[in-house]
Amino acid sequence: RKEVEQDPGPFNVPEGATVAFNCTYSNSASQSFFWYRQDCRKEPKLLMSVYSSGNEDGRFTAQLNRASQYISLLIRDSKLSDSATYLCVVNPNTGNQFYFGTGTSLTVIP
Amino acid sequence: DTGVSQDPRHKITKRGQNVTFRCDPISEHNRLYWYRQTLGQGPEFLTYFQNEAQLEKSRLLSDRFSAERPKGSFSTLEIQRTEQGDSAMYLCASSFPFTGELFFGEGSRLTVL
Repeated sequence: RKEVEQDPGPFNVPEGATVAFNCTYSNSASQSFFWYRQDCRKEPKLLMSVYSSGNEDGRFTAQLNRASQYISLLIRDSKLSDSATYLCVVNPNTGNQFYFGTGTSLTVIP
Repeated sequence: DTGVSQDPRHKITKRGQNVTFRCDPISEHNRLYWYRQTLGQGPEFLTYFQNEAQLEKSRLLSDRFSAERPKGSFSTLEIQRTEQGDSAMYLCASSFPFTGELFFGEGSRLTVL
């Protein structure tokens, strides 16, 4: 079983829409969770960390459900510039490997 | 530019040849990671260093792959006797310890003919 699983999409949404991505992880002892963004033909970059209590950064909200072993990313009021691949990342223990999901492709349409 | 740099950016080689990639991390970072990414997939962990020590290596990593970080600064990833299945983007990332923010280089794209 993969460490991290994501729906690859693609998600095609109109500008202004709200879109949500989910990701599940297999190791219940996982400690840290993140969302990264990867633009086409570019390197991944950290979008936001995911905290147990949930956290928000502008139009982006990340949540963690430890009981069900999934994390989510909600994007409100989608912009054209949000078009990218969103990668779910899990650190199963302290400070060692980081496992990436396959990524979910988002295209925001004018 | 004080980001992570990788060299070469592109490498085309024939099957059976050896290739080496270099990564220069952000100077203050003592952790360095190598990942491989193919089209439509997320980055796949290969190995990681803390300073000059190689602390983890993926079980999936063939014996043809070897990585070094001799002085705890730059790192090299060598692939011996390349196969067509090695064609991928090889990404290097660096970080401070105990943070989740990996800073990636732009990658080295390998094409094996």
